[in-house]
Amino acid sequence: DTAVSQTPKYLVTQMGNDKSIKCEQNLGHDTMYWYKQDSKKFLKIMFSYNNKELIINETVPNRFSPKSPDKAHLNLHINSLELGDSAVYFCASSQDPASYYEQYFGPGTRLTVT
Amino acid sequence: AQSVTQLGSHVSVSEGALVLLRCNYSSSVPPYLFWYVQYPNQGLQLLLKYTTGATLVKGINGFEAEFKKSETSFHLTKPSAHMSDAAEYFCAVRGPSGSARQLTFGSGTQLTVLP
Repeated sequence: DTAVSQTPKYLVTQMGNDKSIKCEQNLGHDTMYWYKQDSKKFLKIMFSYNNKELIINETVPNRFSPKSPDKAHLNLHINSLELGDSAVYFCASSQDPASYYEQYFGPGTRLTVT
Repeated sequence: AQSVTQLGSHVSVSEGALVLLRCNYSSSVPPYLFWYVQYPNQGLQLLLKYTTGATLVKGINGFEAEFKKSETSFHLTKPSAHMSDAAEYFCAVRGPSGSARQLTFGSGTQLTVLP
């Protein structure tokens, strides 16, 4: 019973393509997040949704568009992929946006753009 | 704005030796502090967290950390390293409200345990 799951685990694609990464959590949490981990393992928040509403939107290119069909899912769609988008993308969830709640992370999606 | 500095991107210890991973934070508001561990090709797993109350926090796998406000530190320790502790460790900080609520990570410390 995976708490936070992501698909696919690996994604290899060419520059200019459009791709999506899916995330689902079965913890009953209200808040979900997307993080990007670069090649130096630096982690940075991209987006956060609470009850399907966007609450954090960091400086991320417009090519990245999160979509939350319900509070258990937060998908990430990326248009016109660039070499610099290669990274590991992590989805996470927490009970609600309050800071004292820890976040539960998915296994990550390794995106390689060639 | 808040930030986290992890001193030492790589730390090596012998099996059975003390583990000490350093974390200093900068925050204009009372922080909530977290340590996460990332095993190879896996997601992050919470080791422990400090929110309020007791400044010495115990976590999973025998790890603990002490919040020292005067030193703005939240160092992670374990009395005796095990081979299975080899992983990447991330310290993170959150503020209580507003834009400070986002989780800000340090750059990570790779722990190697030598036999």
